[in-house]
Amino acid sequence: SQQGEEDPQALSIQEGENATMNCSYKTSINNLQWYRQNSGRGLVHLILIRSNEREKHSGRLRVTLDTSKKSSSLLITASRAADTASYFCATDAGGEAGGTSYGKLTFGQGTILTVHP
Amino acid sequence: DAGITQSPRHKVTETGTPVTLRCHQTENHRYMYWYRQDPGHGLRLIHYSYGVKDTDKGEVSDGYSVSRSKTEDFLLTLESATSSQTSVYFCAISVDQGQPQHFGDGTRLSIL
Repeated sequence: SQQGEEDPQALSIQEGENATMNCSYKTSINNLQWYRQNSGRGLVHLILIRSNEREKHSGRLRVTLDTSKKSSSLLITASRAADTASYFCATDAGGEAGGTSYGKLTFGQGTILTVHP
Repeated sequence: DAGITQSPRHKVTETGTPVTLRCHQTENHRYMYWYRQDPGHGLRLIHYSYGVKDTDKGEVSDGYSVSRSKTEDFLLTLESATSSQTSVYFCAISVDQGQPQHFGDGTRLSIL
């Protein structure tokens, strides 16, 4: 089953606009990660946010985490045509009975972002 | 970019044949993972490794086996390929649990 569910499934915006993608998950987590995938390529890590963190920034990216609502959002500000890609959230839910997770990730289905020049 | 190489990059084969995909890393990372990516399912974990000869099953492991005899190589084997295993397969590595994963560029496998 999918731990992370992303919304919207597709997003189309103009260059310069902001893009917001949301991710919801079902169980408690150690951390949540956002990845980007360009067509035909592997995933590229963007940001990792731990369960005790509420917000992280990296350049034009801002990620928030609300563990009470089991949700996260990725904001891309001042978008560019080069930001066109699929974006995935992934959760590290930890191991059983508090044991190790071995870093296993469960991915959402992703949001397809298209930025028009 | 993290040094991860997947081979082959593309493969077409017939149902019932064995297939082995290779993931090679030059980063000396302890953790390695195999995922498959299918439309409507995102990425799903097949198997993972937390050290040489230390492997375990992921979410969708049926029909797959893995081996890791050296730190740098993680092999995924389909003993008898089926059409449902047509997919794009990604390898990922991580220096430690709780750290970001770095992905290869994938292997597109078609089973006819």
